[in-house]
Amino acid sequence: DTGVSQDPRHKITKRGQNVTFRCDPISEHNRLYWYRQTLGQGPEFLTYFQNEAQLEKSRLLSDRFSAERPKGSFSTLEIQRTEQGDSAMYLCASSLGAIVNTEAFFGQGTRLTVV
Amino acid sequence: AQSVTQPDIHITVSEGASLELRCNYSYGATPYLFWYVQSPGQGLQLLLKYFSGDTLVQGIKGFEAEFKRSQSSFNLRKPSVHWSDAAEYFCAVGGFGGADGLTFGKGTHLIIQP
Repeated sequence: DTGVSQDPRHKITKRGQNVTFRCDPISEHNRLYWYRQTLGQGPEFLTYFQNEAQLEKSRLLSDRFSAERPKGSFSTLEIQRTEQGDSAMYLCASSLGAIVNTEAFFGQGTRLTVV
Repeated sequence: AQSVTQPDIHITVSEGASLELRCNYSYGATPYLFWYVQSPGQGLQLLLKYFSGDTLVQGIKGFEAEFKRSQSSFNLRKPSVHWSDAAEYFCAVGGFGGADGLTFGKGTHLIIQP
């Protein structure tokens, strides 16, 4: 299967710990997006990359959050000093070109629970 | 700021009946509009999108949506629903010149009655 892959699928962590999620996009896709989805809400845009460059960051992305895409392939999203409010589904999507121009393919997400 | 409103949190429809899911948007420029579907444990799947041209757009799985600029709406329709259509449906808006991400509504949960 050559879809968008996210790892892990589920993560339970204690408040104050750091967590890192990984996203492997579809191989030829140059754009990669991170979204956060809380219960009963739609996905909220966090950030996106074109190749290895991070081009846009939402105000939702506090300084405890950092995302990287070092070689323009896979991406990681790290949350430092997790808080209970960080509990959510973190979705990754990739596209060949701008998301409004081409179809973005979403991964199944990483569900984070902070206890 | 752009926003999307999906006024119906839950909708229950009998199998074989028609469906309409409502979506209203607020966007300062020409909107690019999308409908996505999310089944439990699955990622979001694009059903259809509107950029320009014909205001009635056809999508996958027999869905269609109509863009009405005067009403700032982009409602999703299907003439006859199947039990497999039960899922969460999200309307989204985006556009060039702004942030490259999409702004999603809160979603409508579709329940299919046998």
